[in-house]
Amino acid sequence: DTGVSQDPRHKITKRGQNVTFRCDPISEHNRLYWYRQTLGQGPEFLTYFQNEAQLEKSRLLSDRFSAERPKGSFSTLEIQRTEQGDSAMYLCASSPTSSGRTQETQYFGPGTRLLVL
Amino acid sequence: AQSVAQPEDQVNVAEGNPLTVKCTYSVSGNPYLFWYVQYPNRGLQFLLKYITGDNLVKGSYGFEAEFNKSQTSFHLKKPSALVSDSALYFCAVRLLTGYSTLTFGKGTMLLVSP
Repeated sequence: DTGVSQDPRHKITKRGQNVTFRCDPISEHNRLYWYRQTLGQGPEFLTYFQNEAQLEKSRLLSDRFSAERPKGSFSTLEIQRTEQGDSAMYLCASSPTSSGRTQETQYFGPGTRLLVL
Repeated sequence: AQSVAQPEDQVNVAEGNPLTVKCTYSVSGNPYLFWYVQYPNRGLQFLLKYITGDNLVKGSYGFEAEFNKSQTSFHLKKPSALVSDSALYFCAVRLLTGYSTLTFGKGTMLLVSP
């Protein structure tokens, strides 16, 4: 059983650089989510895909952030012109779609820890 | 809007004693409720969920949680704590209708002493 995987696990970058993270969901999971977690806080929702369609975006997702899921499988999250405030753990989760959207559980990956210097 | 409150930043309990981690929620509608656990430098691991039905929900590793609609609470419990239960615990809520995004509490650190 392969769970949700994320790459890289750690990323250190300089302010102003662009970074891209990858998430591979559990196979056959239709739904994919991105969250951001800062120290001492719970995860905060960023965006959500069902298959390749991006159905919801949080106000936290500024214009510098973009997410894609081109073939409805893996997803990428890009941050352009990184700022020190972007330093956080970026978590990806996936869930299956059950009829009536009932009883779904989100399964999380290990996260990508970003440090912007 | 939906929100979750975990009133305790940290809970300390001796091994073998019962533990409770508190969670209250606010939603305008019927909730799904979840508990996740996070170990250092790891992602979140699902423990249990409440959807409908029996108010007492049993989950992984001997944990259980009780849904109380009148008090809008979903406290996590375990009859006998283990040192290995020491971790960060998150309560989360989402609505039954609408998109399936989760709203998390700030987390409660559970420390179980030998």
